[in-house]
Amino acid sequence: SQQGEEDPQALSIQEGENATMNCSYKTSINNLQWYRQNSGRGLVHLILIRSNEREKHSGRLRVTLDTSKKSSSLLITASRAADTASYFCATGRYSSASKIIFGSGTRLSIRP
Amino acid sequence: DGGITQSPKYLFRKEGQNVTLSCEQNLNHDAMYWYRQDPGQGLRLIYYSQIVNDFQKGDIAEGYSVSREKKESFPLTVTSAQKNPTAFYLCASSNPGQAGSGTGELFFGEGSRLTVL
Repeated sequence: SQQGEEDPQALSIQEGENATMNCSYKTSINNLQWYRQNSGRGLVHLILIRSNEREKHSGRLRVTLDTSKKSSSLLITASRAADTASYFCATGRYSSASKIIFGSGTRLSIRP
Repeated sequence: DGGITQSPKYLFRKEGQNVTLSCEQNLNHDAMYWYRQDPGQGLRLIYYSQIVNDFQKGDIAEGYSVSREKKESFPLTVTSAQKNPTAFYLCASSNPGQAGSGTGELFFGEGSRLTVL
């Protein structure tokens, strides 16, 4: 079963706008990661946030984690056409840290 | 360059045949993973291995088998028992020290697309 569920499933915004994607999960986790996938390609790691962290930044990316609500959000600021991709959250469970489970993803389209 | 290599990129199989997908990494990672991705869907974990000669079932292991005889290699066999094998298969690995503490990022190959004729 999927550990994480992203919403929205699809998002289309104008270039330059900010994009926000959310991820909810079910069990206790050690960390939460966000990945990007261009169509037909492998996934690329974007950012990792540990369960004792609340917010993390990397370039135009901002990730938040609320363990009490079992949710995370990924914000991409000043979006570019090249940001068009699918974005997935992934969690490492507290009970089995090496078992990394992915959500269903958000398909982001940036309109020029 | 270091990375993960999956082969073949495209594979066609007749019903009732077993096929093996290759995954090789030169990143010196202990942990390796196989995921399945269906069109427009997320990734589902098939099998994972934390160390040589050891592996665990993921969420959808039925109809698949793996081996981990070498650190660098984690081949996946899609058997005839897998009722709907047409999918995109992704292999990944993670840093050994970080994987045990649950902090390792996954490095992915470019995937293998399997189509059953």
